Amino acid sequence: GQQVMQIPQYQHVQEGEDFTTYCNSSTTLSNIQWYKQRPGGHPVFLIQLVKSGEVKKQKRLTFQFGEAKKNSSLHITATQTTDVGTYFCAEMNRDDKIIFGKGTRLHILP
Amino acid sequence: DGGITQSPKYLFRKEGQNVTLSCEQNLNHDAMYWYRQDPGQGLRLIYYSQIVNDFQKGDIAEGYSVSREKKESFPLTVTSAQKNPTAFYLCASSIGGGSSNQPQHFGDGTRLSIL
Repeated sequence: GQQVMQIPQYQHVQEGEDFTTYCNSSTTLSNIQWYKQRPGGHPVFLIQLVKSGEVKKQKRLTFQFGEAKKNSSLHITATQTTDVGTYFCAEMNRDDKIIFGKGTRLHILP
Repeated sequence: DGGITQSPKYLFRKEGQNVTLSCEQNLNHDAMYWYRQDPGQGLRLIYYSQIVNDFQKGDIAEGYSVSREKKESFPLTVTSAQKNPTAFYLCASSIGGGSSNQPQHFGDGTRLSIL
């Protein structure tokens, strides 16, 4: 079935280091959404990418959609303790069904 | 403020008991969803509904049931047939209608445990 694979599953970084999580699919994605879930909280929508090769930035966060629309990445520059949480990628299909990756859990070491 | 309200926040179930989790939204969204999240895991889709009086099974529907009698409400019943119900349950909604640009809005979740 349709799957969105996310790597790595866990990532520990020193505060101030950069962080990247990757999302891959064996099939062409119609779009890709990114969510952040803080510990004990619920997922919060960050951004959606639709176009091939699209790049969007939100302050220290950079989101990319691959040229073939089969992969995406989220890069955080100079991580801060507030970046702690799990980052999920997801695809919404035309039937309003959304497929989530398993997420990357980010730990920040002070 | 518009949003999604889940209740209760914590719920305990006895063996052989059915329990119902509430989800209400005032965002005027057509589509609503139920997910299960186990510790350290991702989100697995239980059921979703694109419109009132209609719903579809997700990836792990066995042992669960839903109804969508009103646009704003999508309750989830965890039946006694669900042998491992302990998890964090998240309800979400989106605009629906097959729109390609529709983020999901999540409730605060319900933590269900077995007594």
